[in-house]
Amino acid sequence: SQTIHQWPATLVQPVGSPLSLECTVEGTSNPNLYWYRQAAGRGLQLLFYSVGIGQISSEVPQNLSASRPQDRQFILSSKKLLLSDSGFYLCAWSVMGELFFGEGSRLTVL
Amino acid sequence: AQTVTQSQPEMSVQEAETVTLSCTYDTSENNYYLFWYKQPPSRQMILVIRQEAYKQQNATENRFSVNFQKAAKSFSLKISDSQLGDTAMYFCAFMKLGNNQGGKLIFGQGTELSVKP
Repeated sequence: SQTIHQWPATLVQPVGSPLSLECTVEGTSNPNLYWYRQAAGRGLQLLFYSVGIGQISSEVPQNLSASRPQDRQFILSSKKLLLSDSGFYLCAWSVMGELFFGEGSRLTVL
Repeated sequence: AQTVTQSQPEMSVQEAETVTLSCTYDTSENNYYLFWYKQPPSRQMILVIRQEAYKQQNATENRFSVNFQKAAKSFSLKISDSQLGDTAMYFCAFMKLGNNQGGKLIFGQGTELSVKP
C-alpha cells in the first residue's frame, strides 16, 4: 500500500534562517506531488506541485521554493524565513483524482 | 478562476442527530471533481467523500452523503447519526480535470463542526 511521510512534524525557526521540509512517498511510482500551506483557521492553499523529477510548478509568488530530486521525494525550502511563513504545511500525492495527505509540519517563525 | 465558498464558519449538532454543511463553488468548467475533507484535531486531512461532476447520482459513504446541484453549483454534505468522532474542521474542495490538473484542489475556508454529547 502507498504511504506518505513528511518531516519534521514541528519546527521553530528564527526569522532569516533557512528551511527544509521533506516529504517521501512509498508504494507508488511517478506520483504527482504537492505542497499545501494552511494558515491558522483557514483553508489550504496550493504552493507547488510536481508531475515528475525536476518539474516544479509554483502557484503563488512567495519566499519559498520546492525541489524534486528523486521520483518520490519532494522538498520545500527557503533561504531566509519570514514571519509570514508560519503555518501548517502539508505534502500530498494524487492518484485517480484523489489527494492523499501527509501528517503535516507545523512551522513557527519567531 | 474557480472559487469555493463555505458560508458556515462553525456549526454544532447533538450526538445522533443529522447536520448539513453547505458549500457553493464558482467555475466555468464542465469536468471536475468535488470533495469533502475532514481535518480532526490531529490535523491530518482525511477524504470523506468525492463527487464526479458528470454523475447525476449523489455520492454516499456510510453516514455521509452529498446533495450535488450542478446547475446551482452547490455541494452540501449531510452527516447522519452524528458521532463524537465527527468533531472536526470540514473542507469543501474543487478539482478541475484535464491537462494533468489532478491534485490541484481549491479549498473553501472550512466549517468547524462540534458534535455534542
